[in-house]
Amino acid sequence: NAGVTQTPKFQVLKTGQSMTLQCAQDMNHEYMSWYRQDPGMGLRLIHYSVGAGITDQGEVPNGYNVSRSTTEDFPLRLLSAAPSQTSVYFCASSYKFGQVAYEQYFGPGTRLTVT
Amino acid sequence: AQSVTQPDIHITVSEGASLELRCNYSYGATPYLFWYVQSPGQGLQLLLKYFSGDTLVQGIKGFEAEFKRSQSSFNLRKPSVHWSDAAEYFCAVGARGTGNQFYFGTGTSLTVIP
Repeated sequence: NAGVTQTPKFQVLKTGQSMTLQCAQDMNHEYMSWYRQDPGMGLRLIHYSVGAGITDQGEVPNGYNVSRSTTEDFPLRLLSAAPSQTSVYFCASSYKFGQVAYEQYFGPGTRLTVT
Repeated sequence: AQSVTQPDIHITVSEGASLELRCNYSYGATPYLFWYVQSPGQGLQLLLKYFSGDTLVQGIKGFEAEFKRSQSSFNLRKPSVHWSDAAEYFCAVGARGTGNQFYFGTGTSLTVIP
């Protein structure tokens, strides 16, 4: 199993540009999520999905779009990049909460700089 | 509202010394608690988790954590720290909400002095 993969590893954008961060998992997990990590702020949830065709907003969704057309893929789109979106982005996946919460598996991250 | 607090932003210990990283949570129901470690430039790796039962939980790399309901705490410990333990440590609570939403603390950065 490759686990959770993310591409690209690094990206530099100019203000106003758009791009898509890719995330894929091969563990047949229903739940997938996107976080951003900023110094001193821990991980903040951007968007999440509990299955194909179902997405919802997290704590900091503004400026980002997601879709979930398959179980495996959960891309994150930046519509019009802003310097405030400079961050490290992590994708994570897990089984959906059943009787207990399940551990989330994290990808290696994408470091995004917006100039 | 659910929340996780890690009071120590940064901790420095000498190699071979013991370690305790603090985590306090606020959650109305049964908490499902996790500790993750993040090495520089890497993703997050699960150290250990607590769901129920024995309140002392063993994890990987010689780490353990103790759940104390009365104190709403889930502190991470290691008897003897190695230089390779230098990393960022995150505590998280898994919420019975939609999906499998986690609430993370802001992290504790650990420096190990040789």
